[in-house]
Amino acid sequence: NAGVTQTPKFQVLKTGQSMTLQCAQDMNHNSMYWYRQDPGMGLRLIYYSASEGTTDKGEVPNGYNVSRLNKREFSLRLESAAPSQTSVYFCASSRSENTEAFFGQGTRLTVV
Amino acid sequence: DAKTTQPPSMDCAEGRAANLPCNHSTISGNEYVYWYRQIHSQGPQYIIHGLKNNETNEMASLIITEDRKSSTLILPHATLRDTAVYYCIVRAYRSGSARQLTFGSGTQLTVLP
Repeated sequence: NAGVTQTPKFQVLKTGQSMTLQCAQDMNHNSMYWYRQDPGMGLRLIYYSASEGTTDKGEVPNGYNVSRLNKREFSLRLESAAPSQTSVYFCASSRSENTEAFFGQGTRLTVV
Repeated sequence: DAKTTQPPSMDCAEGRAANLPCNHSTISGNEYVYWYRQIHSQGPQYIIHGLKNNETNEMASLIITEDRKSSTLILPHATLRDTAVYYCIVRAYRSGSARQLTFGSGTQLTVLP
């Protein structure tokens, strides 16, 4: 049982480049989320998807877009990367909006 | 969601019980207490949650005071692998799950050999 899988684990981008972070869960969860964690800070919610076919903005959505491709997969896209988006990105899933969340191992992104 | 207060750091000897306190004096009746931990460089891991009764699972026990203004997470036999930042989070059950999870600064637990 892999749980929540994120790819890639590490990425270096140049300013202005675009990329998509992939997330997949095999727990048949309905809800999925993207967080970012900056050094010395807690996790901040970027976007979430309460169920397949729906997405909503979180606390820090600017500069990002998401796609809930199907029930298993939830991707995060940076259209034009900026140094301020250097962070560790975590994907999470939960059975519903009201149950505990399970997190992936993170994607460490550096924008130079 | 109610605010929580945790000590910034704690040490515990390997094999001993680790007792991590959390104050949540403004907790309201429909708010649950959740505990997560984050081992260095890994994603947060759910540990346990409760409303007002004490809870126990294979990882830990959660003791909530009768007035629900504070709680203690107990790791009964701490190991070196339990070294992590532990987050106490209070949130209303019906207000949504991870989208409402606010991770504060937590408690850095260091288990010493």
